[in-house]
Amino acid sequence: GQSLEQPSEVTAVEGAIVQINCTYQTSGFYGLSWYQQHDGGAPTFLSYNALDGLEETGRFSSFLSRSDSYGYLLLQELQMKDSASYFCAVAGANNLFFGTGTRLTVIP
Amino acid sequence: GAGVSQSPSNKVTEKGKDVELRCDPISGHTALYWYRQSLGQGLEFLIYFQGNSAPDKSGLPSDRFSAERTGGSVSTLTIQRTQQEDSAVYLCASRRGFAHLNTDTQYFGPGTRLTVL
Repeated sequence: GQSLEQPSEVTAVEGAIVQINCTYQTSGFYGLSWYQQHDGGAPTFLSYNALDGLEETGRFSSFLSRSDSYGYLLLQELQMKDSASYFCAVAGANNLFFGTGTRLTVIP
Repeated sequence: GAGVSQSPSNKVTEKGKDVELRCDPISGHTALYWYRQSLGQGLEFLIYFQGNSAPDKSGLPSDRFSAERTGGSVSTLTIQRTQQEDSAVYLCASRRGFAHLNTDTQYFGPGTRLTVL
């Protein structure tokens, strides 16, 4: 089976840095994806890690450690518009298995 | 089209009725996925199409759920004899090609919010 764990809620101050962790148990692991979803909106792709290490895309970075079955999403210079739900997802052969999401609230 | 579209955006139905949800993927995308998202929850995988065939139907929760895809494009998800627990947002996503997931991104549609009374 597959399971992912991530915190249900995180609150951070505008301008700060926040890290959202994700641990997983799965068979047939190909990589870890991160998606952002604003209330009432569709999930949008943020990043994908197939190999260990850090991937940086602007203010967002994602990290993967396959040996630890662990990854995280790092958001820097937080903005109010970053308030959303963030999902980690394990890529299998044919699909993505999503976690239950972390609701990030950015406060002034 | 410019993005994945789904219709209807909202559907309210009575328990026991059948519903059909439609997904128009991005033009040229060969892979299509259906997910279900209950309020405040993650996305639950339902079914995956590559072209018109469905190599993975493992997520369909019961035999009341079925899906088809024709012409390698439009897909319909049908729920027969709807139950209240079927109430959720049904999301469709498409991906460009046969390449493995790590080279293609899934693009999601806006979803259909299904409410079963």
